[in-house]
Amino acid sequence: SQQGEEDPQALSIQEGENATMNCSYKTSINNLQWYRQNSGRGLVHLILIRSNEREKHSGRLRVTLDTSKKSSSLLITASRAADTASYFCATCLMNSGGYQKVTFGTGTKLQVIP
Amino acid sequence: EPEVTQTPSHQVTQMGQEVILRCVPISNHLYFYWYRQILGQKVEFLVSFYNNEISEKSEIFDDQFSVERPDGSNFTLKIRSTKLEDSAMYFCASRPKGFLETQYFGPGTRLLVL
Repeated sequence: SQQGEEDPQALSIQEGENATMNCSYKTSINNLQWYRQNSGRGLVHLILIRSNEREKHSGRLRVTLDTSKKSSSLLITASRAADTASYFCATCLMNSGGYQKVTFGTGTKLQVIP
Repeated sequence: EPEVTQTPSHQVTQMGQEVILRCVPISNHLYFYWYRQILGQKVEFLVSFYNNEISEKSEIFDDQFSVERPDGSNFTLKIRSTKLEDSAMYFCASRPKGFLETQYFGPGTRLLVL
């Protein structure tokens, strides 16, 4: 599998329910980020979790990181119709030259039904 | 809040034509990036740029592509002779100096090659 694979590929839930998306990766990372993209639009940065962190919260978002399993999850609580979008994880690795390599996952398409 | 801007938002061109996509990174940022996203696919890294030179590029970034920072504010991506498969959303990103700083993405330019 490729670096940054999300599952499920698509998720459909009712408004008010929680949505959980998972991301797995293969190499070492310095941090992992989650982005949101509305259909045909730009990328919106949601949250960054560093490799020495295990959990992070931001509003209705909760991100976990398990570096031993090379996986992360994004939980959106109390979903709203406006949360309908694609969600991407992106792993970040800094090399010795200080250059940052960001690799995006395949994305989860979330549909929240009103 | 400062943001990365990109112009144009949409561009339609004929196969074989040259296109220049423009980006204005956030003013105190030092690292610049181009990514592309073919419709329905993942975001792919093209090139990174620092200190007026390419620091890293992917296999996608062949001789048809070039980047330039012609002045203190703009960062451009040129595709010399566009192909149908160059049709995609192109994202510019920038980040400040710092080990764990996140990249800030622009809204993208949607390029359609006919």
